[in-house]
Amino acid sequence: AQSVTQPDARVTVSEGASLQLRCKYSYSATPYLFWYVQYPRQGLQLLLKYYSGDPVVQGVNGFEAEFSKSNSSFHLRKASVHWSDSAVYFCSANSGTYQRFGTGTKLQVVP
Amino acid sequence: GALVYQYPRRTICKSGTSMRMECQAVGFQATSVAWYRQSPQKTFELIALSTVNSAIKYEQNFTQEKFPISHPNLSFSSMTVLNAYLEDRGLYLCGAGTTSAETLYFGSGTRLTVL
Repeated sequence: AQSVTQPDARVTVSEGASLQLRCKYSYSATPYLFWYVQYPRQGLQLLLKYYSGDPVVQGVNGFEAEFSKSNSSFHLRKASVHWSDSAVYFCSANSGTYQRFGTGTKLQVVP
Repeated sequence: GALVYQYPRRTICKSGTSMRMECQAVGFQATSVAWYRQSPQKTFELIALSTVNSAIKYEQNFTQEKFPISHPNLSFSSMTVLNAYLEDRGLYLCGAGTTSAETLYFGSGTRLTVL
């Protein structure tokens, strides 16, 4: 069955530190891949997307993600986090039917 | 650019009553519209996928009788939550795209509180 897995429900990092949020997908063929961010009591904002080509995609606010076909992964990274990055991050995949979401990772940036 | 507006942003209804939410696409043709629900502390569950001139496909656990959807043209869709109860509370998101396979543009959602 198709699925998107975010193994870490919560991640805490210090301000200025680097960040990696993990995402794995299970699809018979490589889907379109997305990362979204949800700030408290708000909707979804698209950070970045991967369709094909260069496995490292750049997004907004210094975020990037790396696609790995061999690992079926699409991990999100940021070199230096800011307190305003605290939010819930959702990985999503679309194989041509609809977008399926992971369970989300809550990021807390501490001083 | 492509934008999706949802209204109302927040709504409160009494248990057993119904409420309608709307989704407006601006700057592109919303051939496909997906309605999602995010229950408290959960991820986004797909309710149904609507494609203009095709039948609306509901996911398991969601029915047309409970969540009737209208998608009359390429810029507008609405969904009603009929006979709402506590378990229906949450954030309802509309995602619209030119095809179901491409990026969906999401609105800010309609937050439903049921008293």
